[in-house]
Amino acid sequence: DIVLTQSPGTLSLSPGEGATLSCRASQSLTSNYLAWYQQKSGQAPRLLIYGASRRATGIPDRFSGSGSGTDFTLTISRLEPEDFAVYYCQQYGSSRMYTFGQGTKLEIK
Amino acid sequence: QVQLQESGPGLVKPSQTLSLTCSVSGGSINGGDYYWTWIRQNPEKGLEWIGYISYSGYTKYTPSLNSLVTISVDTSKNQFSLRLNSVTAADTAVYYCARIPRLHGSFGWFDPWGQGTLVTVSS
Repeated sequence: DIVLTQSPGTLSLSPGEGATLSCRASQSLTSNYLAWYQQKSGQAPRLLIYGASRRATGIPDRFSGSGSGTDFTLTISRLEPEDFAVYYCQQYGSSRMYTFGQGTKLEIK
Repeated sequence: QVQLQESGPGLVKPSQTLSLTCSVSGGSINGGDYYWTWIRQNPEKGLEWIGYISYSGYTKYTPSLNSLVTISVDTSKNQFSLRLNSVTAADTAVYYCARIPRLHGSFGWFDPWGQGTLVTVSS
């Protein structure tokens, strides 16, 4: 199974700052099949990015994804108060199985 | 747009069977463009994919639950369901259903998700 490791575990930043979240896969991902989700307390995860760099419908352009192979990054260019949440990466397509990272908590400094 | 809603008992006794249903509205569960999936989340294991099903009944499950789980589909009701046998306290989690787009030769991401339902395993 592909293991996804996210870092850091917690990121403390202020509104207006930029955030960089990392997701590393234990083996290269087929066709960069990596997605990012945002989860706020008491809510279901929401799709932000798929295919490593494609924004989902309705996602603000301050969210961007990049990377290939085993190393992927979610960047939030200017943090808004509503962006403070937990972020998960997910790989898909490998043997038609799915795994998630353990999450990065983005908290207000 | 498509919306998903989980329903079922919030409390299940140990060794019994957990049964949940996901109702799909705003779109048909029929057709080959999408698969339908169950995921669960608890503090110990985080987000864990359980399995998926096609409208025609093709299924795939995560290996650790393969012998205990059954996902079925009822296209007449636009619903799909989850059954998890012989539950223990470790199966206490929020259970989500979601939709998967079918890609060329593969399967995609999860979108949208249902709001989730908490299932507690306790006597």
